[in-house]
Amino acid sequence: AQSVTQLGSHVSVSEGALVLLRCNYSSSVPPYLFWYVQYPNQGLQLLLKYTTGATLVKGINGFEAEFKKSETSFHLTKPSAHMSDAAEYFCAVIKSITGGGNKLTFGTGTQLKVEL
Amino acid sequence: DTGVSQDPRHKITKRGQNVTFRCDPISEHNRLYWYRQTLGQGPEFLTYFQNEAQLEKSRLLSDRFSAERPKGSFSTLEIQRTEQGDSAMYLCASSTYRLPAQETQYFGPGTRLLVL
Repeated sequence: AQSVTQLGSHVSVSEGALVLLRCNYSSSVPPYLFWYVQYPNQGLQLLLKYTTGATLVKGINGFEAEFKKSETSFHLTKPSAHMSDAAEYFCAVIKSITGGGNKLTFGTGTQLKVEL
Repeated sequence: DTGVSQDPRHKITKRGQNVTFRCDPISEHNRLYWYRQTLGQGPEFLTYFQNEAQLEKSRLLSDRFSAERPKGSFSTLEIQRTEQGDSAMYLCASSTYRLPAQETQYFGPGTRLLVL
């Protein structure tokens, strides 16, 4: 079964520092991977996704992620953290289900705190 | 594109009561999903509709849960005889594309349920 594991439920960085949020996947076939962000009391917003092609994927708000098959990883990075980046981040994998739909399976999330 | 909306945003109920949540997807989206997110966890898939047809249900969706999408537009999720374990955030998402590589699920803000 396809799944993702997020290492570190809480990450704290200083404003302007590098953000690195870790995600490893488990899949017997090449996965389609996603990063979503959830701000307090809001739904999930897509940051970026990897399907095929270029392994370095750029997303919104200056985030990017690199798909590394050899490491089964899809870590999320941002060169310089901003206070507005404080939120919960979810890595997810998508899989086809009965009836033509597609189910997202999420990791447990990483809460990012940005300090002055 | 007004986004996915959900109503109510918050619901407090007593154990044993019935509750109903509503989701209005993005207007041209024919696919609709419900997910449940408990504290400290990522969202988990509950059920999927294509137009008015409910095509997939998770084992998480017990007999006390029922979802409908009568005209292929808005959807309702009803929980009968609520239990404290039903306390969670209920998220709705909608999309248009079929293939996993193409699909982006757009999430609503969620309905936070607290069962006392």
